[in-house]
Amino acid sequence: GAGVSQSPSNKVTEKGKDVELRCDPISGHTALYWYRQSLGQGLEFLIYFQGNSAPDKSGLPSDRFSAERTGGSVSTLTIQRTQQEDSAVYLCASSLVVPGSFSSGANVLTFGAGSRLTVL
Amino acid sequence: KQEVTQIPAALSVPEGENLVLNCSFTDSAIYNLQWFRQDPGKGLTSLLLIQSSQREQTSGRLNASLDKSSGRSTLYIAASQPGDSATYLCAVGPNFGNEKLTFGTGTRLTIIP
Repeated sequence: GAGVSQSPSNKVTEKGKDVELRCDPISGHTALYWYRQSLGQGLEFLIYFQGNSAPDKSGLPSDRFSAERTGGSVSTLTIQRTQQEDSAVYLCASSLVVPGSFSSGANVLTFGAGSRLTVL
Repeated sequence: KQEVTQIPAALSVPEGENLVLNCSFTDSAIYNLQWFRQDPGKGLTSLLLIQSSQREQTSGRLNASLDKSSGRSTLYIAASQPGDSATYLCAVGPNFGNEKLTFGTGTRLTIIP
């Protein structure tokens, strides 16, 4: 597609439920990133994918969080047994250049509009 | 742990003025610094990217500088316009690439027509 698409744009759920957030990156972008933006806080790195593999999962807040990417394209972020502190905007981004081979001008990050998650 | 601070948190200036936004970071061992803008309800838009070996980057009315040794960056906006109203975020990266960026909390800029 023309940009990074995220769905749902808004999700309200009850504490303890599982949620799935989807990211459809720009076609051909090899790298995909998930960030979280909580109210009053800066963006927090969660995980990134190089192709279908996630070299570094250390940013995931707890083992309730998981993510996968299939076919080098769509990614899903899953939060199990949601808690109120999970409420945030979850942002996905993609870039063309493979992480580790940085090239100014080519490594531009394109963000989606985000998925706003509210846990009641 | 890297910390990124942006001061002020909010800024209002009349249209046409030049302005400077500030970003400071605690760990100078960075490989890149990026400036983004965020409009309400939208994702971030990349504005400028400075690699650690560079001192500044320019795009149109925007100029970003980097002083790695002092842990500071500035974003200069010339001849401000109402369309420049947005939240501006800076982010530093510890590695080549965009993974593990540490973001500041941003400066909310309002340009008064």
